[in-house]
Amino acid sequence: EAQVTQNPRYLITVTGKKLTVTCSQNMNHEYMSWYRQDPGLGLRQIYYSMNVEVTDKGDVPEGYKVSRKEKRNFPLILESPSPNQTSLYFCASRMLNTEAFFGQGTRLTVV
Amino acid sequence: EDQVTQSPEALRLQEGESSSLNCSYTVSGLRGLFWYRQDPGKGPEFLFTLYSAGEEKEKERLKATLTKKESFLHITAPKPEDSATYLCAVGYSGTYKYIFGTGTRLKVLA
Repeated sequence: EAQVTQNPRYLITVTGKKLTVTCSQNMNHEYMSWYRQDPGLGLRQIYYSMNVEVTDKGDVPEGYKVSRKEKRNFPLILESPSPNQTSLYFCASRMLNTEAFFGQGTRLTVV
Repeated sequence: EDQVTQSPEALRLQEGESSSLNCSYTVSGLRGLFWYRQDPGKGPEFLFTLYSAGEEKEKERLKATLTKKESFLHITAPKPEDSATYLCAVGYSGTYKYIFGTGTRLKVLA
């Protein structure tokens, strides 16, 4: 089954404690991206990757890092989380000019 | 500035009451307009892709249409299970870039 898998689904952490949200896809897609979704603001792109070792900033990259060492995996790293990073996060993958497949989401709370 | 705007922000319908959702865009070099359905706390699910003005796609009670400036998602005789947020996104020519609208929250009452 074609899917994008994120883990964990829910995470509560404290300010400053480094965390990683994993994302994996099984469709051999070149393009992967991370979004955050906040009420009234819609989906905003954090980072994206067009292929292995090729990543770039989206619209709201501050406070986040990513890596793309393998085609299937695209982890999101928060080196020093802050409360304003409390949000619902989605990973997505696709090919050029086609629809995106989204993960189930990770609800992050930073206290 | 490239922009995607959805209206209305929220819509309440009685079961069986047909309506339309709007997605207007100001993007040069459109390469696909995508509609998604999103249930609370879940990832968006793909519904339709439209690539050129005049194109139409249908699926059950939903029909998507596209002009050079906007797209409509028509919902015919909706049921309570159609309640969700509907998102549109626009793709750019030759790039992977997407712009999402902020969505329309649809509530269908029994």
